[in-house]
Amino acid sequence: QKEVEQDPGPLSVPEGAIVSLNCTYSNSAFQYFMWYRQYSRKGPELLMYTYSSGNKEDGRFTAQVDKSSKYISLFIRDSQPSDSATYLCAMSAPGSYIPTFGRGTSLIVHP
Amino acid sequence: EPEVTQTPSHQVTQMGQEVILRCVPISNHLYFYWYRQILGQKVEFLVSFYNNEISEKSEIFDDQFSVERPDGSNFTLKIRSTKLEDSAMYFCASSEGQGAGEQYFGPGTRLTVT
Repeated sequence: QKEVEQDPGPLSVPEGAIVSLNCTYSNSAFQYFMWYRQYSRKGPELLMYTYSSGNKEDGRFTAQVDKSSKYISLFIRDSQPSDSATYLCAMSAPGSYIPTFGRGTSLIVHP
Repeated sequence: EPEVTQTPSHQVTQMGQEVILRCVPISNHLYFYWYRQILGQKVEFLVSFYNNEISEKSEIFDDQFSVERPDGSNFTLKIRSTKLEDSAMYFCASSEGQGAGEQYFGPGTRLTVT
């Protein structure tokens, strides 16, 4: 079983839709969870950083962690064409500063 | 806003040649990293560097790879004898502290080995 699994998509939604992006993981030691946005041929840009379980909101973005299910989500409200990018989840265990990445989900928001 | 910069943006080289990829981390950052991303695959950690020495490296970072901080601003990745499978995007990252969520990534260098 892969350590971090993420559906590559593409996920295509109309402008204004609520987007749900998800990752599952197998390593129960992971405590730190990140979401990155990556535009084509650019570097990953950190969007959200959460510790352990629960929700964290930042503007139109909400990150959710369910450690009991080993499942994390990123919700994007009122999606915009400028949100079109690949979204990478990443996670790490305490004492490790090196994130383990998912493959990324390609999101297309069409006008 | 400060950012990590990388040069060149695209490097084409022949198999067996040496390449040096360059990065300028954010100026007050102390920890430096190299990652790579083969097309369509995950971002993979290569090496981390702190206090002028390697602090951690992955299995990918074999004897063909080396890193250096030749002066107070640059951080380089050298591949001694490139192979076709080294073709990838190489990302430099830096962080002020030692936290997984604190790393800022550069735009990457696309390396194509022919």
